[in-house]
Amino acid sequence: QQQVKQSPQSLIVQKGGISIINCAYENTAFDYFPWYQQFPGKGPALLIAIRPDVSEKKEGRFTISFNKSAKQFSLHIMDSQPGDSATYFCAASLASGTYKYIFGTGTRLKVLA
Amino acid sequence: KAGVTQTPRYLIKTRGQQVTLSCSPISGHRSVSWYQQTPGQGLQFLFEYFSETQRNKGNFPGRFSGRQFSNSRSEMNVSTLELGDSALYLCASTRRAGAEQYFGPGTRLTVT
Repeated sequence: QQQVKQSPQSLIVQKGGISIINCAYENTAFDYFPWYQQFPGKGPALLIAIRPDVSEKKEGRFTISFNKSAKQFSLHIMDSQPGDSATYFCAASLASGTYKYIFGTGTRLKVLA
Repeated sequence: KAGVTQTPRYLIKTRGQQVTLSCSPISGHRSVSWYQQTPGQGLQFLFEYFSETQRNKGNFPGRFSGRQFSNSRSEMNVSTLELGDSALYLCASTRRAGAEQYFGPGTRLTVT
């Protein structure tokens, strides 16, 4: 019940295409869902995050879609660029004052020029 | 505002030794969490400290420990190192529960 399942494991997209990464969770106590981007040799960097009270959040080319009833959320990268090539992690945080984050297993994205 | 800093960035140790890693959170952040990242296991939660108290602990053996100081800086220690402890150790800081968690660059530990 503490898991966050992420798919696909890897993704190859043409430049200008849309990259879609999906995550699913089971614990309805989760109340914060961030996405992180990680380049080789670097720590994960917060990309965008959403809370369950909204169904979509957009920041530039990055959009999170959230389906509370299905307990799923996804990251859409529009107009994907070679510079977006990185590993993406979804995460979920538990409520009730804890700072513990549960991470998905990561998606390695490669955008072809 | 300066980000999360971790020292050292790289470390090579021998089996059986112990190691201490350091993390300085973003100014004003009182919570520090530690994660182990490996290719096979992904990001795994080690423990979290808030106001010098450990609030959460992941499923790691007692060889992994940590502490937080009054200035919110944190250290983690791994004793009796094993080959399987080779990983990127990441520290993250948060201002409050459920808020954005910001990661440092990590310490790459190699155990030989």
